[in-house]
Amino acid sequence: NAGVTQTPKFHILKTGQSMTLQCAQDMNHGYLSWYRQDPGMGLRRIHYSVAAGITDKGEVPDGYNVSRSNTEDFPLRLESAAPSQTSVYFCASGLYRGDGELFFGEGSRLTVL
Amino acid sequence: AQSVTQLGSHVSVSEGALVLLRCNYSSSVPPYLFWYVQYPNQGLQLLLKYTSAATLVKGINGFEAEFKKSETSFHLTKPSAHMSDAAEYFCAVSELTGNQFYFGTGTSLTVIP
Repeated sequence: NAGVTQTPKFHILKTGQSMTLQCAQDMNHGYLSWYRQDPGMGLRRIHYSVAAGITDKGEVPDGYNVSRSNTEDFPLRLESAAPSQTSVYFCASGLYRGDGELFFGEGSRLTVL
Repeated sequence: AQSVTQLGSHVSVSEGALVLLRCNYSSSVPPYLFWYVQYPNQGLQLLLKYTSAATLVKGINGFEAEFKKSETSFHLTKPSAHMSDAAEYFCAVSELTGNQFYFGTGTSLTVIP
């Protein structure tokens, strides 16, 4: 099993451009989430999904959109990128229960100029 | 909402010395607790988790953590630091539903040869 796969690993885009970060998991997990990691801030949840067709906002959802059409994929879209969205983004999956850990992808480092 | 506090954003230890990384949580109900490790340019990996079984939890790479309800703490220890332990460590708390993980801001561990 590959686990959680994120693409791309690195990307640079200009202010106002759009971008989609891809996330795919092969562990048949119901729960998928996107986090951003910024220095001194820890990890903050952007959006999450508990099943195909169901998505909800996390702690910092503004400027981001998600969709979940199947169990495996959970893309994160930036419609009009801003420099404040420069960050490292992680996709994480899990079993949607308290004692179940999250499994993380390797991250996507995004720079917005 | 729960919160997680990691005391010390940077910790330095000599190779072979004891590693102690501190984590305190705020919860009136014993939660599920996790420690993750992040090596440079990688995603987070699970070190260990507490799920209401034994209060002393052993993880990978010689790490262990003790759940102390009276102190609302879940400190991470390792008897003898190795150079390969240099990484960022995150403490996390999970709600009973598994819908949300609350992460601390992380502790960067440096191991001095």
